[in-house]
Amino acid sequence: GENVEQHPSTLSVQEGDSAVIKCTYSDSASNYFPWYKQELGKRPQLIIDIRSNVGEKKDQRIAVTLNKTAKHFSLHITETQPEDSAVYFCAAKGSGYSTLTFGKGTMLLVSP
Amino acid sequence: DVKVTQSSRYLVKRTGEKVFLECVQDMDHENMFWYRQDPGLGLRLIYFSYDVKMKEKGDIPEGYSVSREKKERFSLILESASTNQTSMYLCASSPHSNQPQHFGDGTRLSIL
Repeated sequence: GENVEQHPSTLSVQEGDSAVIKCTYSDSASNYFPWYKQELGKRPQLIIDIRSNVGEKKDQRIAVTLNKTAKHFSLHITETQPEDSAVYFCAAKGSGYSTLTFGKGTMLLVSP
Repeated sequence: DVKVTQSSRYLVKRTGEKVFLECVQDMDHENMFWYRQDPGLGLRLIYFSYDVKMKEKGDIPEGYSVSREKKERFSLILESASTNQTSMYLCASSPHSNQPQHFGDGTRLSIL
């Protein structure tokens, strides 16, 4: 089955800096890659997703890149703000009726 | 806006009890999922369902069962609760397999 590795497990940045979280996946047939943000005590919420026919997608300060050859995808947050502090999960969906496989999460801390 | 409602935010049960966790979604989604979330382990899939009365095992189904008698409701059952099932349980739904999953607020279950 699919295996998703996520790094780093924790990331501390200063407000205004950029943050990058990286994930690798094992199933070359995977075709859907969402990213979720989970604030403390709250539900995971989708912040951005990308499909295998696209190499990059942006939404304001957030961008995701996908390298299908290397089987990795990354989340980029620019101009970080304290409210970006949360746990971020990447996920990958394999082919057919397979389900999402999640990474173990990255705790992002943005200091004022 | 999609609403996924889990019946309890906090639940305390005793070892050996049969425990029911309920989840209801209001968007006529085909797919529903049960995850458990533990520190450092991310989100692990217990069971999922692609249709009414249909269920499939996820990555960690041992000690659990599920029921989906109606499209909007997906129940997770701990047949005989044990202390190692103390965890946060998250329900999610999605329209189709390649669409984002929407999560409930979670049930923090403690087994004493």
